[in-house]
Amino acid sequence: SAVISQKPSRDICQRGTSLTIQCQVDSQVTMMFWYRQQPGQSLTLIATANQGSEATYESGFVIDKFPISRPNLTFSTLTVSNMSPEDSSIYLCSTSDRGGANVLTFGAGSRLTVL
Amino acid sequence: QKEVEQNSGPLSVPEGAIASLNCTYSDRVSQSFFWYRQYSGKSPELIMSIYSNGDKEDGRFTAQLNKASQYVSLLIRDSQPSDSATYLCAVTKGGRGGSNYKLTFGKGTLLTVNP
Repeated sequence: SAVISQKPSRDICQRGTSLTIQCQVDSQVTMMFWYRQQPGQSLTLIATANQGSEATYESGFVIDKFPISRPNLTFSTLTVSNMSPEDSSIYLCSTSDRGGANVLTFGAGSRLTVL
Repeated sequence: QKEVEQNSGPLSVPEGAIASLNCTYSDRVSQSFFWYRQYSGKSPELIMSIYSNGDKEDGRFTAQLNKASQYVSLLIRDSQPSDSATYLCAVTKGGRGGSNYKLTFGKGTLLTVNP
């Protein structure tokens, strides 16, 4: 499986600020995804990060709030913009496993707390 | 109706017992099914995938799929305290090697194995 590194691992942010989370994979991967896991909730897909084109967002998530970059096949960033306490969550980067489509490997996650 | 439903638990079993975790899904076109384990404060890790009706065994774990009933389960034999975690059921419309990589997760079942 691919090894995924995320940073920051955690951060405490002020309301109204923005934070960018970085995701680095140790090999080239076609598919990269960003998930959110709010307290007590399951994982919700935010968007698919597409290399060389705009990310594909799921219902309820918009580019202005969660801009995503994917400059190459090993790296992606997710920015959480104009944060509010409701954005306090764990944000996880994931990729599809080379061993089979649809099998996801996750990074360790970035735990954001917005005050 | 939620897309993927699981009993939130907690499910408590004694060490050495069989733990049975259940999951139902609403979309009949779903083709790939996964069980992820998530330890507290950690990211999810894949433990089982199943694509066809019937049972699939891997060590102490058995996944069972019944597409007609839209039901997937995970049995853990000889449960160990180290199995204590939240187990997430995930479903995708894409089949193995298919193009739809979007996983929909249930909220997870918290399993506690008591020594």
